[in-house]
Amino acid sequence: NAGVTQTPKFQVLKTGQSMTLQCAQDMNHNSMYWYRQDPGMGLRLIYYSASEGTTDKGEVPNGYNVSRLNKREFSLRLESAAPSQTSVYFCASTILTGDEQFFGPGTRLTVL
Amino acid sequence: EDQVTQSPEALRLQEGESSSLNCSYTVSGLRGLFWYRQDPGKGPEFLFTLYSAGEEKEKERLKATLTKKESFLHITAPKPEDSATYLCAVQVTGSYIPTFGRGTSLIVHP
Repeated sequence: NAGVTQTPKFQVLKTGQSMTLQCAQDMNHNSMYWYRQDPGMGLRLIYYSASEGTTDKGEVPNGYNVSRLNKREFSLRLESAAPSQTSVYFCASTILTGDEQFFGPGTRLTVL
Repeated sequence: EDQVTQSPEALRLQEGESSSLNCSYTVSGLRGLFWYRQDPGKGPEFLFTLYSAGEEKEKERLKATLTKKESFLHITAPKPEDSATYLCAVQVTGSYIPTFGRGTSLIVHP
């Protein structure tokens, strides 16, 4: 099992460009999450999907959109990147909401 | 508002010097408290889940305990490979999402 995989690992964007971060899990988990991690701020939830076909906003959703493509895949899209979105992005999954989370390796995004 | 506070922010230990990390929380109803370890440049890795006051769990040199207001992660005779950031998260009853603390950065010197 690969667990939770994320692509790309690194990305540099210019302000205003768009991109999609991909996440996939092979553990048959129902719930998936997108976080951002900034120095001194801890992990902050952007969006989550409690089950296939549902998505909900987290603490910091502005400037992002998500798609739960199927049970395995949960993507995060930045439509018009801003320097404030420079961060490390983590995808996570759980069997059910409320259980321990399994995290991917992260995507390091820089917006110039 | 649910709050999770970890202390200290950073901790430096000598190899073999035991210590504890603290996670205090103020939530309306605790469903579970989680501890994770995060190595530099990697995603967090699950360590423990605690559900009720008085519960304890152990793994190698780590032992996690829970009271009604806080959790401790005790590290006994730490080794340099225990150096990492340790994150605490709480799950509130009826909520789909956990609240994470900001973490404690632990460095163990040989």
